[in-house]
Amino acid sequence: EVHLLESGGGLIQPGGSLRLSCAAAGFSFKNYAMTWVRQAPGKGLEWVSAISSSGGATYYADSVKGRFTISRDNSKNTLYLQMSSLRAGDTAVYSCARDFREYSYGYTFDSWGQGTLVTVSS
Amino acid sequence: QSALTQPGSVSGSPGQSMTISCTGTSSDVGGYNSVSWYQHHPGKAPKLLIYEVTNRPSGVPARFSGSKSGNTASLTISGLQAEDEADYYCSSYTDITRYVMFGGGTKLTVL
Repeated sequence: EVHLLESGGGLIQPGGSLRLSCAAAGFSFKNYAMTWVRQAPGKGLEWVSAISSSGGATYYADSVKGRFTISRDNSKNTLYLQMSSLRAGDTAVYSCARDFREYSYGYTFDSWGQGTLVTVSS
Repeated sequence: QSALTQPGSVSGSPGQSMTISCTGTSSDVGGYNSVSWYQHHPGKAPKLLIYEVTNRPSGVPARFSGSKSGNTASLTISGLQAEDEADYYCSSYTDITRYVMFGGGTKLTVL
């Protein structure tokens, strides 16, 4: 069974930095592209960033480009999201998700974690 | 980039059919077949219902179906059930980010 567990969220002041982690289990992590999605309180889902299976290609929403960095360690089955220059508008539950196609991009997510809450506030 | 356009809320009675629309542009919904639909019960992980416009993953009931015409994709739920009450999101590949964008979400209420 696929299992994704996010960690690293918390309360952070505006302008601060935070690194989120997503520990994967139950599948061949190194074969799948992975994504971060967030949901602000009372709002809808927002795609944030994605990374290819090898880590060689990365993609970002305009709202986080230049401030967030996605990465992965396939030897540790872990996905990361380094967030910097955080703003109040970044307050959200951040979830990692697996692309449903092995060895390729499906642009569809078949397994999701429960998420970790990031609150940006002074 | 703006989200794909979905109605904010819809409602229906048990047994009825309901269609939720998802409108984009030729840069996303209209230009590609990577349209997906998700069901999201608050506090739980989203569940994939439809991928590549019309395909259902194994385990998703046949009363959930997807279609697309031009720049608008649709999710149809036949025979509404109480447990269908949830938020529904569409997503599509977009050539703006060369990845994915979501719709704003639709809250389905089963009366």
